[in-house]
Amino acid sequence: EAGVAQSPRYKIIEKRQSVAFWCNPISGHATLYWYQQILGQGPKLLIQFQNNGVVDDSQLPKDRFSAERLKGVDSTLKIQPAKLEDSAVYLCASRTDRYTGELFFGEGSRLTVL
Amino acid sequence: GQQVMQIPQYQHVQEGEDFTTYCNSSTTLSNIQWYKQRPGGHPVFLIQLVKSGEVKKQKRLTFQFGEAKKNSSLHITATQTTDVGTYFCAGLTGGGADGLTFGKGTHLIIQP
Repeated sequence: EAGVAQSPRYKIIEKRQSVAFWCNPISGHATLYWYQQILGQGPKLLIQFQNNGVVDDSQLPKDRFSAERLKGVDSTLKIQPAKLEDSAVYLCASRTDRYTGELFFGEGSRLTVL
Repeated sequence: GQQVMQIPQYQHVQEGEDFTTYCNSSTTLSNIQWYKQRPGGHPVFLIQLVKSGEVKKQKRLTFQFGEAKKNSSLHITATQTTDVGTYFCAGLTGGGADGLTFGKGTHLIIQP
């Protein structure tokens, strides 16, 4: 079974530039999450989708971050404009059930903002 | 919002010694999960606890969920070098809040 795919693995940009990350969850997983993990800290939930609908985006900085999952499968997370404090690993995760069960994480996309 | 606290932040042990990390939530949890993240890797699921007072074992790892469903612990017996990494607890409060809230993790460093 293929795992959660993410790209790009690494991205370096200058502040005020934009960047987009892509995630393809495990086939059949209705629930998809984007987490931000700053070095040395635990993952912080940015947004959760159930199929193509947003369930929770309360911690998403909506002035600069946006995310979509138009067809209920793959998802894109965009940052525009980027700030220095956005330097982090962006992890995509998915699972079959909305409330329980294992989260399957992708390898992550490491963003460095200069 | 919900907070999940983990202690200690770092733990140095000699190989063969035991290790315990503790997780506390400000609210009652529907369930709690534990993940392990190796250096440079992504979090990998270890276990989920659902019932009050639940205890589960996986070889040298013992997981407990408190009676009030606000705290949990992970205990590793006789650590090995392969246990190196960061251990995270992640809680789900329920009540309409879906996303798992992760603690900051406990970094386990093992000295041979």
